[in-house]
Amino acid sequence: GAVVSQHPSWVICKSGTSVKIECRSLDFQATTMFWYRQFPKQSLMLMATSNEGSKATYEQGVEKDKFLINHASLTLSTLTVTSAHPEDSSFYICSASGDYLLAGSTDTQYFGPGTRLTVL
Amino acid sequence: AQRVTQPEKLLSVFKGAPVELKCNYSYSGSPELFWYVQYSRQRLQLLLRHISRESIKGFTADLNKGETSFHLKKPFAQEEDSAMYYCALSLSGGYNKLIFGAGTRLAVHP
Repeated sequence: GAVVSQHPSWVICKSGTSVKIECRSLDFQATTMFWYRQFPKQSLMLMATSNEGSKATYEQGVEKDKFLINHASLTLSTLTVTSAHPEDSSFYICSASGDYLLAGSTDTQYFGPGTRLTVL
Repeated sequence: AQRVTQPEKLLSVFKGAPVELKCNYSYSGSPELFWYVQYSRQRLQLLLRHISRESIKGFTADLNKGETSFHLKKPFAQEEDSAMYYCALSLSGGYNKLIFGAGTRLAVHP
């Protein structure tokens, strides 16, 4: 249980194009979703936190106009990298927390498998 | 500022040896700490959380507020324990933001 999926698992795009990454909670309602970025051999860096139906809260240094986050439903959040450039190439990971019915896990984050973005 | 420090990038041990992965935190609020594990080519998954006080796969971790530490321990390492381990701090005050440490790669050799 508590499965989070991401689509696509990898994407290659040309510089200047936009890329959308989906994050879905498959068997629970995710009241909060988180987007992270992970560079090779480095830790996860939180980019933004989103709650269903409201605007995302971005971490300091993350451009909200570049990384558009939409959390339109309790099972889906999307991250759109607009006008992507090679420096945006990274591994993007989402996580979700919500009302999964396991004792003590209502605030646990469940992670997706990640999406590798390569911008040429 | 909130911070999680994992001083070791790599911990290499032999099978059957005890393991301790260090984690120290800096946070003025009431800390909630987690250990996440990432096996090769798999997603990040929760290993244990301090409020549960449980042992998962033989691993335990005790929160020491005096030393601001949450070290992960296992008395006898197994080869299948080889993975990347991340210590994480959850910030109180809403939305359960996680601050991750840099991670420690545990390599257990036969």
